[in-house]
Amino acid sequence: DIQMTQSPSSLSASVGDRVTITCRASQSISSYLNWYQHKPGTAPKLLIYVASSLQSGVPSRFSGSGSGTDFTLTISSLQPEDFATYYCQQSFSTPRTFGQGTKLEIK
Amino acid sequence: QVTLRESGPALVKPTQTLTLTCTFSGFSLSTRGICVSWIRQPPGKALEWLARIDWDDAKYFSTSLMTRLTISKDTAKNQVVLTLTNVDAVDTATYYCSRETTVALDFWGQGTLVTVSS
Repeated sequence: DIQMTQSPSSLSASVGDRVTITCRASQSISSYLNWYQHKPGTAPKLLIYVASSLQSGVPSRFSGSGSGTDFTLTISSLQPEDFATYYCQQSFSTPRTFGQGTKLEIK
Repeated sequence: QVTLRESGPALVKPTQTLTLTCTFSGFSLSTRGICVSWIRQPPGKALEWLARIDWDDAKYFSTSLMTRLTISKDTAKNQVVLTLTNVDAVDTATYYCSRETTVALDFWGQGTLVTVSS
């Protein structure tokens, strides 16, 4: 199985900050990397697919980059509704695997 | 519009078999490229991918759970059923179903909390 490792595990930031979360795969996954946002009691939401494509309806302050084994999710200017847990997930092969999550908290 | 909804028991006893149903609308599981996956999240822990069934009835499972999982579909009813045998307290989680198209899980259900306890 492909292991996905996110860093940091948690992050404190303020509204308006620029935030970057990283995700590393245990082997090359080309660009088959997706990012999800998850808030308690709600369904996870797809933000970015195939590393850098913005899902329809997702604000442009979210962006993704990377290929191979190293990927990043960037939020250019944090908004109050962005405080959540973020997960990366590889779709290069089955079984699909998620990172352990990055909890983004208000400073 | 695409919707998915999970249903099943809220409480299951240890050693029993858990059966969950995903009922969906807005797409067909007979359309090429469409899949339905199950994912769970134990309390306070990360998302864990469990299984997937594809439009052509191909099936894929988590390596660690594959001996306990089965997945099936009823295309006419727009349903996917997941079973997990011999449940234990560690299987307590919110279980989600999701549509996968090509490479991402683009629509998710709201999830159903399953507690394993005697």
